[in-house]
Amino acid sequence: DQQVKQNSPSLSVQEGRISILNCDYTNSMFDYFLWYKKYPAEGPTFLISISSIKDKNEDGRFTVFLNKSAKHLSLHIVPSQPGDSAVYFCAASAHGSARQLTFGSGTQLTVLP
Amino acid sequence: DGGITQSPKYLFRKEGQNVTLSCEQNLNHDAMYWYRQDPGQGLRLIYYSQIVNDFQKGDIAEGYSVSREKKESFPLTVTSAQKNPTAFYLCASSKRTGGQSEAFFGQGTRLTVV
Repeated sequence: DQQVKQNSPSLSVQEGRISILNCDYTNSMFDYFLWYKKYPAEGPTFLISISSIKDKNEDGRFTVFLNKSAKHLSLHIVPSQPGDSAVYFCAASAHGSARQLTFGSGTQLTVLP
Repeated sequence: DGGITQSPKYLFRKEGQNVTLSCEQNLNHDAMYWYRQDPGQGLRLIYYSQIVNDFQKGDIAEGYSVSREKKESFPLTVTSAQKNPTAFYLCASSKRTGGQSEAFFGQGTRLTVV
């Protein structure tokens, strides 16, 4: 039972264009959502997060959008750079919990020069 | 530098042996977590701890054990009861257990059963 789903295992984008990574969730108790970037054989690095009281959060080239009614969030990267090539994980945590994260299966982003 | 240190980076285990993976943090974080990553999959929670001398099972705790005797340390033991231990293991910590805060990860330990 996957509570956090990333249905696209891979995405290729041209350098300079927009990358859009998608994530869906099923648990309505989730109130905090995060995106992590991961390189092979390394730990994930935190990118950006959003609370359920917001629908958008922006940090430089990264913007996360949250649509609570659709239980959907997305990460936009503009403009995409070759150094952005990595696996991106969506994660969520629930209020009333120990804030342990539930992860999606990841999307491999490749930015082509 | 503050951070999370996992050791060793690579670990080889013979079948039937127990092994312990180290995780130390100097971020003064209350909560610590262990995750496992398998190829093509997301991270799955093994154990977590919100406070010293207390820990709870995650989604895949069978065959694993942990201790939290110090705030800074959260070692994971992979026992012989774990049927498929070959995986990439990640330790994480976060500042608050009740509030919304991101988790910071170590660099991981690759465990291989030989």
